[in-house]
Amino acid sequence: DIQMTQSPSTLSASVGDRVTIPCRASQSISTWLAWYQQKPGKAPKLLIYKASFLESGVPSRFSASGSGTEFTLTISSLQPDDFATYYCQQYNSYPWTFGQGTKVEIK
Amino acid sequence: EVQLLESGGDLVPPGGSLRLSCATSGFTFSSSGMNWVRQAPGKGLEWVSGISISGDRTYYADSVKGRFTISRDNSEKTVFLQMNSLRADDTAIYYCAKGGVSAGVRGQGTLVTVSS
Repeated sequence: DIQMTQSPSTLSASVGDRVTIPCRASQSISTWLAWYQQKPGKAPKLLIYKASFLESGVPSRFSASGSGTEFTLTISSLQPDDFATYYCQQYNSYPWTFGQGTKVEIK
Repeated sequence: EVQLLESGGDLVPPGGSLRLSCATSGFTFSSSGMNWVRQAPGKGLEWVSGISISGDRTYYADSVKGRFTISRDNSEKTVFLQMNSLRADDTAIYYCAKGGVSAGVRGQGTLVTVSS
C-alpha cells in the first residue's frame, strides 16, 4: 500500500499568512493526488484534484503543486474560514490512502 | 457540477446488515469508477471499496473484505454498498467518491452506527 505522510500534524498561523502544507507519498503517484479541507462535524470538502486542479467553487487563494512523491497545498493569504484540518489522498492505485491530516490553527 | 447523495445509513446491531446508496449527477456516471470512503468518529478518512466503470472489477479494504459488496446501476447512475456482518468498528460516516481524473469525495455522507 502507498503511505501518505503529512507533517506537521498541527500548524499555527495568523490571518493573512501564506501557508504551505506538505504531503509525501511513499512511492511515486504521478499527479494522482487530491486535497481536502475538513472542519469539525462537517464532511470533507474537495479542494484540489490531480495535484493542481482547483475544484469548482473553491477560492483562488488555494493552490497546489507537486508530482511523484512530493506535494504541497498553499493558501496564499489565510482567512478566518480556513482554520481547519487538511488531508491529502492518493488515487494512483488501490487501496486509496489518505494522510493523517494537518490541522491549521490560529497562532 | 458533480453531485453525490448518499443514503441508507442507520443504527444496526452487531452482526446486522445494511445497504447504502449513492445517487449521482453532474457527470457521465457510466464513464467513471466509483468508491466508498468512511470516517469513524474522531478518526481520519479510510477508503473502503471501489468499482470499475462496467462493474466487472471490485476492490476492497482488508478490513471489509468478505463482508461488504459494492455494486452499481449505470442506468440509475447509482452505486451501492451492501454491508453484512457489521461490527462496532464499522461505525462511521460513509461517503461516496467519484473515481477517474477528477476523483474525490464530494457527498455529505450517511451515518452508520453499529450498536446493540
